[in-house]
Amino acid sequence: GAVVSQHPSRVICKSGTSVKIECRSLDFQATTMFWYRQFPKQSLMLMATSNEGSKATYEQGVEKDKFLINHASLTLSTLTVTSAHPEDSSFYICSAPHHGGGANVLTFGAGSRLTVL
Amino acid sequence: GDSVTQMEGPVTLSEEAFLTINCTYTATGYPSLFWYVQYPGEGLQLLLKATKADDKGSNKGFEATYRKETTSFHLEKGSVQVSDSAVYFCALRSGFQKLVFGTGTRLLVSP
Repeated sequence: GAVVSQHPSRVICKSGTSVKIECRSLDFQATTMFWYRQFPKQSLMLMATSNEGSKATYEQGVEKDKFLINHASLTLSTLTVTSAHPEDSSFYICSAPHHGGGANVLTFGAGSRLTVL
Repeated sequence: GDSVTQMEGPVTLSEEAFLTINCTYTATGYPSLFWYVQYPGEGLQLLLKATKADDKGSNKGFEATYRKETTSFHLEKGSVQVSDSAVYFCALRSGFQKLVFGTGTRLLVSP
């Protein structure tokens, strides 16, 4: 079946540094990918929609300059958390839609846990 | 805006007990409804879905019926197993592929 891979699964960084998280569709192409953020004991919140070959679409309240998204190819989207601060510590999850079994299905990555010291 | 409300967890059950996790939603139009499951250390997996009123989604012994009159999509299973221990998310699809999630409900099943 369709697989979405995220890397790294865990990352610890110092405050003020930037961190890049990769999201890859392993066996299918994705012109669109979605980035979510999950706080402890809270729901997944959609941050942005990544579009291959064009700018990402950000949800209201998400800082574009803080969370840089690049969809460089049909199988890769990256999320860069710039000048990270402790409040950016969270679980980041990407997903990509694919057509399977006659219907569009969203496949999720396993997530990337970011800890900012 | 669209929203999903789930019962708070954790839900703690003994093996073979009956499971219900409540989910209600608020949405304009006619959303599709989903249940996702997240096992420890893994990504979210689609468990079941329903695309219109009165549809019943089912998978791995789990069931949920799309109730438009009560705006609900409660998850049920007749006999849970230890391997069902996970976090369950109710979600609705709003717009093109955009999912709105509930807060998730952790299920703990003991032998």
